[in-house]
Amino acid sequence: EAQVTQNPRYLITVTGKKLTVTCSQNMNHEYMSWYRQDPGLGLRQIYYSMNVEVTDKGDVPEGYKVSRKEKRNFPLILESPSPNQTSLYFCASSPRDRSGTEAFFGQGTRLTVV
Amino acid sequence: KNQVEQSPQSLIILEGKNCTLQCNYTVSPFSNLRWYKQDTGRGPVSLTIMTFSENTKSNGRYTATLDADTKQSSLHITASQLSDSASYICVVSSINDYKLSFGAGTTVTVRA
Repeated sequence: EAQVTQNPRYLITVTGKKLTVTCSQNMNHEYMSWYRQDPGLGLRQIYYSMNVEVTDKGDVPEGYKVSRKEKRNFPLILESPSPNQTSLYFCASSPRDRSGTEAFFGQGTRLTVV
Repeated sequence: KNQVEQSPQSLIILEGKNCTLQCNYTVSPFSNLRWYKQDTGRGPVSLTIMTFSENTKSNGRYTATLDADTKQSSLHITASQLSDSASYICVVSSINDYKLSFGAGTTVTVRA
């Protein structure tokens, strides 16, 4: 089954404790991205990757890091989490095709930083 | 800055009734427009994708329209069901890159 898998689904952590949210896709997609979703706001892009070893900042990259060492994996790293990073996070992937193919989203990771 | 505006912010309808959601965008140059359905606490799932040349696209009881001249789209839900209760998100992409511009969504509540 084609899917994007995020782990963990829920996470509560303390300020300053480094954490990683994993994202894996089994569709051989080139393009992957991370978003955060906050009440009343649309999904906002944090980072994206056009292919292996190619990453770039989205609209709200501050406080986050990513890596793309393999095509299928795109982890999101919070080196020193802060309470304002409490949010619902989504990973998405899509083929490298400009004709209008859709993005597939993971099930989300609800992060709480206390 | 590219923007996507959706209206209404939320609506409540009775089961079996129809409703229409609106999306206005300023993304340019335009590549495609997508409507996603997002159940509470879950990832968005694609309903329709439309490119510049498409005016209407249906997916079961969901029908999306696109007017690329006025930069407007609508999503019509026919004979609503309780399972239609969700947030509906309009997403527009530019032909220049792979970045997606998201609307804030319309929350639809269907009541029996």
